[in-house]
Amino acid sequence: DQQVKQNSPSLSVQEGRISILNCDYTNSMFDYFLWYKKYPAEGPTFLISISSIKDKNEDGRFTVFLNKSAKHLSLHIVPSQPGDSAVYFCAASDSGGGADGLTFGKGTHLIIQP
Amino acid sequence: DTGVSQDPRHKITKRGQNVTFRCDPISEHNRLYWYRQTLGQGPEFLTYFQNEAQLEKSRLLSDRFSAERPKGSFSTLEIQRTEQGDSAMYLCASSPWRITGELFFGEGSRLTVL
Repeated sequence: DQQVKQNSPSLSVQEGRISILNCDYTNSMFDYFLWYKKYPAEGPTFLISISSIKDKNEDGRFTVFLNKSAKHLSLHIVPSQPGDSAVYFCAASDSGGGADGLTFGKGTHLIIQP
Repeated sequence: DTGVSQDPRHKITKRGQNVTFRCDPISEHNRLYWYRQTLGQGPEFLTYFQNEAQLEKSRLLSDRFSAERPKGSFSTLEIQRTEQGDSAMYLCASSPWRITGELFFGEGSRLTVL
């Protein structure tokens, strides 16, 4: 069973517009959520995170929103730039002592069109 | 470069052969993780170490897989009697003690089993 779901395999957005990537989770024990970005032939790199005690975290062009009741989070990128084209993974962890690693979604391939 | 390094970056082997991957984490990081990523999937947790102790293993880690982290520094992941289904990217990540969630990934070791 997939505990972290990214239902959009790909997303195409025009340069300068807002990119919104979505993620749903099923495990109510998850209390820390992260977004990773991955370019081809490279390992994932950390982008932004949010604790379950917050509903929003912002870092420059990147904002993550968390809706605990809906078990949903989203990553907003505005304005989108060509260098944002990559695969974005949503990940979650249970800091209370679960798997102790991260559980990842399958990723969304974001394509920024000029 | 003081990031996570993995070796080799690519390995092609014949079915039934043994392969070993090495990971050198960021030096001050106590935790070290191994993940596996196949095409179209997100990274899947395999195992993790806190210093030299292997604290958790996923059910994905069959008895053909063994991981070590002698002296709490570098780690090796060995796959014995490789099968075609073992073809994947093997990612190593490290994290500092006490920080929730964020992992620093290496560039991965891609395994192709013919």
